[in-house]
Amino acid sequence: EAQVTQNPRYLITVTGKKLTVTCSQNMNHEYMSWYRQDPGLGLRQIYYSMNVEVTDKGDVPEGYKVSRKEKRNFPLILESPSPNQTSLYFCASSLRRSNQPQHFGDGTRLSIL
Amino acid sequence: AQTVTQSQPEMSVQEAETVTLSCTYDTSENNYYLFWYKQPPSRQMILVIRQEAYKQQNATENRFSVNFQKAAKSFSLKISDSQLGDTAMYFCAFTTGNQFYFGTGTSLTVIP
Repeated sequence: EAQVTQNPRYLITVTGKKLTVTCSQNMNHEYMSWYRQDPGLGLRQIYYSMNVEVTDKGDVPEGYKVSRKEKRNFPLILESPSPNQTSLYFCASSLRRSNQPQHFGDGTRLSIL
Repeated sequence: AQTVTQSQPEMSVQEAETVTLSCTYDTSENNYYLFWYKQPPSRQMILVIRQEAYKQQNATENRFSVNFQKAAKSFSLKISDSQLGDTAMYFCAFTTGNQFYFGTGTSLTVIP
C-alpha cells in the first residue's frame, strides 16, 4: 500500500529536549516536505526536499532541521524544542517537484511543555 | 510574496444543496498549480481537485468543480449535491514549482 508514515503520532515532551519526528514514504517520490498546522494559520511549510541531499527552507524553518540522506526518509529534527513549536505536523511527498499532488502522512501532534 | 487567502473561516450548507468556497492568491509567476485539499475530523489531508494555471478549462471531479479566474487570481471550489461526508476543513493551496502555499482554511458543515 502506497503511504507516507510518520512517527510518533503523538508526543508530549519538555523544553530543550531534542526530538526527531520520522517520515518515510514507499512510493519512490523525489519531493518531500514538512508542514506545521496551527489554528487560524492553516498549513505552513517548514522545509522541503527536491531529492536526496537537496533541501531548502520553507516559510517557517526557524528552530527545525531536516536531512535527506536517502530517498525514502525525511526526518524533522527539533534540536531544542520550545513551547511555540507545539503544533500538528505533517509530512508529505510527491512524485517529482511540487506540481504533483502531495500524499500526506497522518500527522504528528507535538506538545512542548 | 506568495499568499493564499480564504476569506470564509466557516460555512454551512444543507444536505443536497450547492456551496461555493472562495480562494484568492497572489503571485507574480505565470506558471503554477492550484489545489483544494479536504481535512475531515480524522485530520487526514485528502486531495479534492487540481488545476494547472495554463489550462483555461475548469477542473471537475464528480461533485467538485472549480471556477478558475486567472486574471483575478481567484480559485473557488463548488460542491454540488452536498453530502454529510463533505463536512471538513477545506484548504486552498498553490505552488509555483518548489514551495507550497496554503490558505487558512474554511470549515464546512453539511446540515442534515
